[in-house]
Amino acid sequence: AQTVTQSQPEMSVQEAETVTLSCTYDTSESDYYLFWYKQPPSRQMILVIRQEAYKQQNATENRFSVNFQKAAKSFSLKISDSQLGDAAMYFCAYTSGDSSYKLIFGSGTRLLVRP
Amino acid sequence: DTGVSQDPRHKITKRGQNVTFRCDPISEHNRLYWYRQTLGQGPEFLTYFQNEAQLEKSRLLSDRFSAERPKGSFSTLEIQRTEQGDSAMYLCASSLALGRYNEQFFGPGTRLTVL
Repeated sequence: AQTVTQSQPEMSVQEAETVTLSCTYDTSESDYYLFWYKQPPSRQMILVIRQEAYKQQNATENRFSVNFQKAAKSFSLKISDSQLGDAAMYFCAYTSGDSSYKLIFGSGTRLLVRP
Repeated sequence: DTGVSQDPRHKITKRGQNVTFRCDPISEHNRLYWYRQTLGQGPEFLTYFQNEAQLEKSRLLSDRFSAERPKGSFSTLEIQRTEQGDSAMYLCASSLALGRYNEQFFGPGTRLTVL
């Protein structure tokens, strides 16, 4: 069975600094996708960034980038120039290339941003 | 269309009562997913529909739970004889499935409290 593990329950970063959130996953599939979702307090979950397993190049979206290490089954999220609005729960998620595309989530990392 | 909506946003009920939640997906989306999120955890997949067909149900979806999407548009999730363990946030997501993975857009969730 596929699993997603986030070992950092909480992280803290100074505004304008860089922070990295860790995620590992386990799968025997070769075709899959990985995601980072952001869930602000009392607000809905939004997609931050997505990585397709067959792409070697790490995905980047503005201040957000990932370090995808396929052999190590590691998928970390780097947030550069942290802003107060980045404070939220961050979930790492996985889906395989089967037809359902159901998401399997980690337990989340709460990111605190210090002004 | 402003996104996925869910109703109600909050529901408090007594143990043993039945509750029903509604999800309205983004209008052109043919896939609809239900997830459950308990406090401090990531969302867990419950079930999904493609158009009106329910294609997969998680083992988490006991026989007290039933979901429908009668005309391939909105969906309802009913819980019969609620238990305190059913207290959670119930999230709905929709996507437009066109072969390769397409982003799931989440609603704000329905928070259920069973007393």
